[in-house]
Amino acid sequence: QKEVEQNSGPLSVPEGAIASLNCTYSDRGSQSFFWYRQYSGKSPELIMFIYSNGDKEDGRFTAQLNKASQYVSLLIRDSQPSDSATYLCAASGGFKTIFGAGTRLFVKA
Amino acid sequence: EAGVVQSPRYKIIEKKQPVAFWCNPISGHNTLYWYLQNLGQGPELLIRYENEEAVDDSQLPKDRFSAERLKGVDSTLKIQPAELGDSAVYLCASSRGLNYEQYFGPGTRLTVT
Repeated sequence: QKEVEQNSGPLSVPEGAIASLNCTYSDRGSQSFFWYRQYSGKSPELIMFIYSNGDKEDGRFTAQLNKASQYVSLLIRDSQPSDSATYLCAASGGFKTIFGAGTRLFVKA
Repeated sequence: EAGVVQSPRYKIIEKKQPVAFWCNPISGHNTLYWYLQNLGQGPELLIRYENEEAVDDSQLPKDRFSAERLKGVDSTLKIQPAELGDSAVYLCASSRGLNYEQYFGPGTRLTVT
């Protein structure tokens, strides 16, 4: 069974701090990796995607990929209360995209 | 650019009744997905279309669920008859192709009583 694992949280950080969200995947054939943000009662919203090893930055968000360790992370700098949500990691390769169960992030004002 | 459109947003039905969900993907997106999401879980794939062809329906409970994507654009997912355990959020997503980023519609929250 191909899996994507995330710590369910909640991860609590103070406003202005860096939030670090982690994800591991089991399928070495995975090629594309995605981070989605999901507010309560809403559908997932794409915030980052990464295909190559290393870092990819977009505004306050940085995605990091290490294929050798089968590890993906998302850093959120200068965390804001509006960042409080569930963050879903997804890995895609071969014929399927697998989503993790998500990590709940709470940013304290 | 318009996003993925789904309807209805909410549906309450009694068990054993039929229900249908509709999805219109982002223009130009050939790949369309139907997912089921339970509370506290990630989306789980029900079926994936490439144009009008269902290329992955391995997780679709075919005894009660059916789907179609005539003309390779919008799609309908049907449940007949619905069971209490079908209560969930049904999400439609589309992408340029497999392994590309997916964009989700607002979802349909189904409650079966």
